Amino acid sequence: AQSVTQPDIHITVSEGASLELRCNYSYGATPYLFWYVQSPGQGLQLLLKYFSGDTLVQGIKGFEAEFKRSQSSFNLRKPSVHWSDAAEYFCAVGEDSGYSTLTFGKGTMLLVSP
Amino acid sequence: ETGVTQTPRHLVMGMTNKKSLKCEQHLGHNAMYWYKQSAKKPLELMFVYSLEERVENNSVPSRFSPECPNSSHLFLHLHTLQPEDSALYLCASSQNPRDRGSPLHFGNGTRLTVT
Repeated sequence: AQSVTQPDIHITVSEGASLELRCNYSYGATPYLFWYVQSPGQGLQLLLKYFSGDTLVQGIKGFEAEFKRSQSSFNLRKPSVHWSDAAEYFCAVGEDSGYSTLTFGKGTMLLVSP
Repeated sequence: ETGVTQTPRHLVMGMTNKKSLKCEQHLGHNAMYWYKQSAKKPLELMFVYSLEERVENNSVPSRFSPECPNSSHLFLHLHTLQPEDSALYLCASSQNPRDRGSPLHFGNGTRLTVT
């Protein structure tokens, strides 16, 4: 069965600094990978997704993620963080259920300091 | 602006009450989902509906009863809940339910508190 690990529960980054959120997955075949963001009191919004092809994918709000098969990782990055990026970030992998269901990680809470 | 609307945003209910959560999607999608989000736990899939037919239950207790009258509307009927059922309940939709890569579009959720 697939699984997703986000090793950092909380991360604090200074505004303007770079950001990397870690995600490791367990999946036998080529994974379908996603990053979602959840602001307080809101649902989850899709940031980006990876299926195949270029291992560096661009998303909304200036985010990007790099798929590394050898490390089973799909880390999310942003070169310069804004205060509005403070939120919880979820990595997810498409399941083998035959439907578009997802296995989510537990999330990483991003705090942005002035 | 989300294409998936959930009501109510907040709900407080006693363990003997019966209530319903409502979800409506305006995206023309063919599948709808209920997820449960509890503190410090990953999102848990509860139910999947594909073209109004329930296709996955995920061993959810019978005190949760879903209903999907058409491809745009999804309900979660609640009765005799337990305090541990307090959580954020998220509705989602996807365009192609058979496509593992079809992304989910989420509503803002209903924050449920069981007293």
